[in-house]
Amino acid sequence: GIQVEQSPPDLILQEGANSTLRCNFSDSVNNLQWFHQNPWGQLINLFYIPSGTKQNGRLSATTVATERYSLLYISSSQTTDSGVYFCAVEWDTGRRALTFGSGTRLQVQP
Amino acid sequence: DAGVIQSPRHEVTEMGQEVTLRCKPISGHNSLFWYRQTMMRGLELLIYFNNNVPIDDSGMPEDRFSAKMPNASFSTLKIQPSEPRDSAVYFCASSLTVGNTIYFGEGSWLTVV
Repeated sequence: GIQVEQSPPDLILQEGANSTLRCNFSDSVNNLQWFHQNPWGQLINLFYIPSGTKQNGRLSATTVATERYSLLYISSSQTTDSGVYFCAVEWDTGRRALTFGSGTRLQVQP
Repeated sequence: DAGVIQSPRHEVTEMGQEVTLRCKPISGHNSLFWYRQTMMRGLELLIYFNNNVPIDDSGMPEDRFSAKMPNASFSTLKIQPSEPRDSAVYFCASSLTVGNTIYFGEGSWLTVV
């Protein structure tokens, strides 16, 4: 099956700092989504981004499908950004459901 | 609009008991997914349905697990008999169809003692 690797596994930031989270995948995909799991366990969809760039407030994401990676940018981080960020992909020759990476755990300190 | 609704939110049960988790997808969504989250294995797909039909159940760990979707607005995941290693958070999610944005419920936190 497809492999999804996220880096870094853990990240600690001071409030106001910027960060870049990376997602590498091992095969062609036709669907890529980013999620935030908050400290209460809720999984929130951030971006549906199989290719190109999108922005939503302080968050933006870029997927370069031909090079098999995606980046999530967080600018001016806030304590409410803390949690785990997951990248998930749908393999274009495999099953039509998302395979999740192991996540990046972000802690934003005041 | 209501999101994906799961019940129960928390359940503690004894080994050997039957556990039934329930899910109501977002109205109008045709695809429904069951995921399990553990510290050791992360988020893993158990099964997914499209138009109420199970499409891929290769992630179901063993015969003790079964899932049904009798209609477009309801699905169940059953574990019988339950074992301590089944302790996990079970998430239900839905999307308009496969390949679209997926929305998760709040999860069912299962503890088997």
